[in-house]
Amino acid sequence: DIQMTQSPSTLSASVGDRVTITCRASQSISTWLAWYQKKPGKAPKLLIYKVSNLESGVPSRFSGSGSGTEFTLTISSLQPDDFATYFCQQYNSYSTFGGGTKVEIK
Amino acid sequence: QVQLVQSGAEVKKPGASVKVSCKASGYTFSSYGVSWVRQAPGQGLEWMGWISAHNGNTNYAQSLQGRVTMTTDTSTTTAYMELRNLRSDDTAVYYCAVDCRDSPCYTGYWGQGTLVTVSP
Repeated sequence: DIQMTQSPSTLSASVGDRVTITCRASQSISTWLAWYQKKPGKAPKLLIYKVSNLESGVPSRFSGSGSGTEFTLTISSLQPDDFATYFCQQYNSYSTFGGGTKVEIK
Repeated sequence: QVQLVQSGAEVKKPGASVKVSCKASGYTFSSYGVSWVRQAPGQGLEWMGWISAHNGNTNYAQSLQGRVTMTTDTSTTTAYMELRNLRSDDTAVYYCAVDCRDSPCYTGYWGQGTLVTVSP
C-alpha cells in the first residue's frame, strides 16, 4: 500500500497568512493527487485534483504543486472560512488519504 | 443536480454486520464508480474501497479485505457497503462518493454520511 504522510499535523495561522501544507508519498504517484477540505459534521470538499487543477467554484487562493513523491497545498491568503482540516489523497494505486492537517486560528 | 442520499444511523453490537445504502440521482449511475470513505471520531479519513457501477469491479483497502463487500444495483441506482464482524474501532461516519468508472480517483460529490456506532 502507498502511504501518505502530511506535515504539519496542526498549523496555527492568522487571517491573511500564507499557508503551506506538505504531503509525501511512500513511492512515486506521478500526478495522481487530490486535496480535500473537511469541516466537522460535513462531507469532505474537493479542492484540487491531479496536483494542481482547481475544482470548479474553489477560490483561486488555493493552489497545488508537486510531482512524484512530494506535493504541497498553498493557501495564499488565509480567510476565516479556511479554518478546517485538509487531507491529501493519492489515487495512483487504489487510494489512500494522508493523516490530515488541522489549520487553526492563531 | 448530483445527489447521494445515505441510509440512517445504525447502532450495532460487536460481531454483527451493517449494510449502508447510498441512493444516487442526477447523473448516469452506470457511467461512474462509487467509493466509500470513513472517519472515526477524532481521526482522519480512511479510504475503504471502490466499486465500478459499470461492471461491478471492486478494489478494497487491504485492512478491510475479507470483512467488507461493496455492491451496486443499477436498477435503483443504489450502492451498498456491508461491513461484517464489527469491532468497536469500526465506529465512524461512513461516506459514499461518486468516483471514476474504471478505477478509484478523486471524488467531488459526497453523501451526507452515516454514523455507525459499535457498542456492546
